[in-house]
Amino acid sequence: SQQGEEDPQALSIQEGENATMNCSYKTSINNLQWYRQNSGRGLVHLILIRSNEREKHSGRLRVTLDTSKKSSSLLITASRAADTASYFCATDAKGGGNKLTFGTGTQLKVEL
Amino acid sequence: DTAVSQTPKYLVTQMGNDKSIKCEQNLGHDTMYWYKQDSKKFLKIMFSYNNKELIINETVPNRFSPKSPDKAHLNLHINSLELGDSAVYFCASSHRLAGGAGELFFGEGSRLTVL
Repeated sequence: SQQGEEDPQALSIQEGENATMNCSYKTSINNLQWYRQNSGRGLVHLILIRSNEREKHSGRLRVTLDTSKKSSSLLITASRAADTASYFCATDAKGGGNKLTFGTGTQLKVEL
Repeated sequence: DTAVSQTPKYLVTQMGNDKSIKCEQNLGHDTMYWYKQDSKKFLKIMFSYNNKELIINETVPNRFSPKSPDKAHLNLHINSLELGDSAVYFCASSHRLAGGAGELFFGEGSRLTVL
């Protein structure tokens, strides 16, 4: 299956530190997306990176994609307590019918 | 204005009952989805409709039946509920993009508890 594996499963950092989450997947993709889920809420889209892109930025977020290693990373710089959430990568596999398959998620806790 | 709204937010019911969850989006998207999130937060796609046509139908028991009366609505009916159906069900919508899946907009989820 294409399901992404995320690493680490849980991450606890202090406010102001950077947080890095990694995602690995198995087959060729059209694009890879990152989502955030606050406790008890729906998922919110953060960034979409296409297979021909290597890096993308949005505010304090930086996403990289290495298609040769079938991996992506999400970096949150200068983290805040409000960044506490679960973060999921989702892959759109080539030939997968535009279906997004979600990874297992990383639970990030940012402490004051 | 809620973009993707689901009702009910919470649903507690007995095994064997039949229940429905409704979803509506006001974003003008042409594709809608149902995802199931289990207690370990694993999110799995169940169904997807594009312009009222079923385009993704994952391996889901046929006790689950989606229905899309129009492209702004996607409902999920579950017959003969089982304990294992307890989960949070998320509705989502997106535009279909050329060359790949678009960004998904999720509802707030419907937490189903089967006793």
